[in-house]
Amino acid sequence: DTGVSQDPRHKITKRGQNVTFRCDPISEHNRLYWYRQTLGQGPEFLTYFQNEAQLEKSRLLSDRFSAERPKGSFSTLEIQRTEQGDSAMYLCASSLDGLEYSPLHFGNGTRLTVT
Amino acid sequence: KNEVEQSPQNLTAQEGEFITINCSYSVGISALHWLQQHPGGGIVSLFMLSSGKKKHGRLIATINIQEKHSSLHITASHPRDSAVYICAAVSNFGNEKLTFGTGTRLTIIP
Repeated sequence: DTGVSQDPRHKITKRGQNVTFRCDPISEHNRLYWYRQTLGQGPEFLTYFQNEAQLEKSRLLSDRFSAERPKGSFSTLEIQRTEQGDSAMYLCASSLDGLEYSPLHFGNGTRLTVT
Repeated sequence: KNEVEQSPQNLTAQEGEFITINCSYSVGISALHWLQQHPGGGIVSLFMLSSGKKKHGRLIATINIQEKHSSLHITASHPRDSAVYICAAVSNFGNEKLTFGTGTRLTIIP
């Protein structure tokens, strides 16, 4: 078990470019979450998958944002036409449904800087 | 007003002191997480609780559903406890949405 891994760790992009991040959850985990964290703030929920189904999507997720989890394993988060306000740490977490105590396992995040 | 509020925002204490961090929420929840975030961003899940009290080592978490309040206590605090502690409420609408508090930055001085 290597934990939740996210790629890349850092991404610097120019405004208007598209970016895609990847999250590989713990292998048997069926729940996968995306969060965004800006400096000095707690994480904000973006979206949530149960297996391959995207069950919830925050209002924060504009139509420039899209997330997929095609086979119920890894997930991608794409941001189109990036804006400077998209600069943040993007965190992925996974957990296993059905346990009384289902801890969240977080990845180390992808830090996005839009110049 | 945030749906999940934590206090204090910053806390500095001497090594050995008993630490309490509070979390109040206004949304309906099915459970609440306490998380620890170290410099560099790594987040670790400490507890998930839906009632009562849980203990793990020097950490104790309590929740009062009626009062919509949870506390995280650290006994015999140590400099390695220095981190940001975040509570996150799990929505009870069946969508597992997490609403995070803004965190409490704890610094333990040797």
